[in-house]
Amino acid sequence: GAGVSQTPSNKVTEKGKYVELRCDPISGHTALYWYRQSLGQGPEFLIYFQGTGAADDSGLPNDRFFAVRPEGSVSTLKIQRTERGDSAVYLCASSSAGDTQYFGPGTRLTVL
Amino acid sequence: AQKITQTQPGMFVQEKEAVTLDCTYDTSDPSYGLFWYKQPSSGEMIFLIYQGSYDQQNATEGRYSLNFQKARKSANLVISASQLGDSAMYFCAMRETNTGTASKLTFGTGTRLQVTL
Repeated sequence: GAGVSQTPSNKVTEKGKYVELRCDPISGHTALYWYRQSLGQGPEFLIYFQGTGAADDSGLPNDRFFAVRPEGSVSTLKIQRTERGDSAVYLCASSSAGDTQYFGPGTRLTVL
Repeated sequence: AQKITQTQPGMFVQEKEAVTLDCTYDTSDPSYGLFWYKQPSSGEMIFLIYQGSYDQQNATEGRYSLNFQKARKSANLVISASQLGDSAMYFCAMRETNTGTASKLTFGTGTRLQVTL
């Protein structure tokens, strides 16, 4: 079956702009996670959804970051007023309840 | 406090040899899960193996095995019969609930493995 997909694969934007990153989880997976991976580091947790609701958003760095999952499937990570420090690979993962998380290919965000 | 520690930034192994990648963890939760992921240069995180804190046996998946030493809080990954395609970054991760409940993963900084001829 299809894995986790993320679009776009690459996004280049200018400082101060707004961006949206999309994640399409594995069909039937109820949990969806967002992580951010900076160069040379392991992924860092941002937020996860159980169904439509954010179960844990403790990793969001500030109020410029927001994520939604309105129908319990596709999720969008939204970043307002982007800064150069937001440049990273944004990884999405999904799981069936508490099972193993399967990752998508990531979106590489570059803020100029 | 760092919860997952991978002390080997880089490792080399000859093809067909075995290699051990180290991982230690810190948690006060009695119920947790430990994972290893592989990240090739393409960037995708590939799940390799899982060990639950209550599992009596060490996990194995093909050429991968997890050397779980609970008292020492270590969860080392052993790759047997290394292949050139094993060259990648390897991440150890912990979930601070065992099963049944979705929860975030905390990752280490990774070990870059290079398999040589």
